[in-house]
Amino acid sequence: AQRVTQPEKLLSVFKGAPVELKCNYSYSGSPELFWYVQYSRQRLQLLLRHISRESIKGFTADLNKGETSFHLKKPFAQEEDSAMYYCAIYGGSQGNLIFGKGTKLSVKP
Amino acid sequence: KAGVTQTPRYLIKTRGQQVTLSCSPISGHRSVSWYQQTPGQGLQFLFEYFSETQRNKGNFPGRFSGRQFSNSRSEMNVSTLELGDSALYLCASSLRPSGGRGEQFFGPGTRLTVL
Repeated sequence: AQRVTQPEKLLSVFKGAPVELKCNYSYSGSPELFWYVQYSRQRLQLLLRHISRESIKGFTADLNKGETSFHLKKPFAQEEDSAMYYCAIYGGSQGNLIFGKGTKLSVKP
Repeated sequence: KAGVTQTPRYLIKTRGQQVTLSCSPISGHRSVSWYQQTPGQGLQFLFEYFSETQRNKGNFPGRFSGRQFSNSRSEMNVSTLELGDSALYLCASSLRPSGGRGEQFFGPGTRLTVL
């Protein structure tokens, strides 16, 4: 079955420290992976897609098919990065997004 | 462009009642997907409509249904409400079918409380 696992419910780091939000997936076939973010009192929004290989707000994510992972990384965390982050995979029998349960990132001053 | 809008934002119902939620997608978007978000289960896909046709469906009972109108607005209906249906219901729109292959724009959600 297709599944997305985010092992950390909460991740707390200090401003300027590196941050890595973990995401592991289970999927047969070629996955399309995404990171969505929800800032306080805002709606859920797309942060980045693995196929774009882009860096958004300093965040990057690399698809590692061998480890079935898609970890989100940023070298220097900022306070405004504090938010809820969801890893999601597209596809499977449902033909839509399957989300992980999310990681709450807290960046302390 | 205006974003995805959902009405109402909050609802309180009692067990056994039914409820209808509404979603207006971004102008030009023809795909509307619905999700249920709860603290225990997280975000779960309910169904998706594209051009008035249900394209995909998640693992929810038949009490959950939806439809889409010719102007792409969508409604979802939950009949015979149960306490466990209390959740935030999110709607997302996309330009392409199949949920835009993952690129979706979310609304603010409707918070449903079942007493």
